[in-house]
Amino acid sequence: ETGVTQTPRHLVMGMTNKKSLKCEQHLGHNAMYWYKQSAKKPLELMFVYSLEERVENNSVPSRFSPECPNSSHLFLHLHTLQPEDSALYLCASSLGTSFLGETQYFGPGTRLLVL
Amino acid sequence: AQSVTQLGSHVSVSEGALVLLRCNYSSSVPPYLFWYVQYPNQGLQLLLKYTTGATLVKGINGFEAEFKKSETSFHLTKPSAHMSDAAEYFCAVSEGNQGGKLIFGQGTELSVKP
Repeated sequence: ETGVTQTPRHLVMGMTNKKSLKCEQHLGHNAMYWYKQSAKKPLELMFVYSLEERVENNSVPSRFSPECPNSSHLFLHLHTLQPEDSALYLCASSLGTSFLGETQYFGPGTRLLVL
Repeated sequence: AQSVTQLGSHVSVSEGALVLLRCNYSSSVPPYLFWYVQYPNQGLQLLLKYTTGATLVKGINGFEAEFKKSETSFHLTKPSAHMSDAAEYFCAVSEGNQGGKLIFGQGTELSVKP
């Protein structure tokens, strides 16, 4: 595998389910990100990890819980989601941890549908 | 507050025609500017990036963009559109006052007609 991979690519879940999204980067990067992409809206930054430490949490509801066990893996744990949480969830990584001017490399995303 | 505006949520061109996708930003300090492309069912891919120096930046697939500080613009162009250019294009800015994180525009969907 190369670049940034995400699994699953598609997920359908009920509002009472618990599921997890997985992201893995094979680039030797030190920062990882979760974004939410909804139709007709700009990408929303959800969480940022730098060297496995969370450095940003953009007022994301607690039903989304991130986990970064090491610099190559990032998870997004989902619990009691709402239909409006249906979206494409994108993972990204960047080499440096200063963020300024850093190129982010994106995975293909997980298309989530909450019923 | 830092922001990015992409004029036109949808642009349609004929194959072989000029592609022009507009991006304006607001920033109180010199920014870093990016264009990303997203093909259907895929993540975002970097097209090009402006940091410092030459204001005309060349990217992949024949695209280029020019940083115009006086106009706070970073428009994306390609002289001749191909059918394979049909995708969604995102402009983004990174600046120090916002911790360097990327702020994205709302995207422009490019359609290419045969």
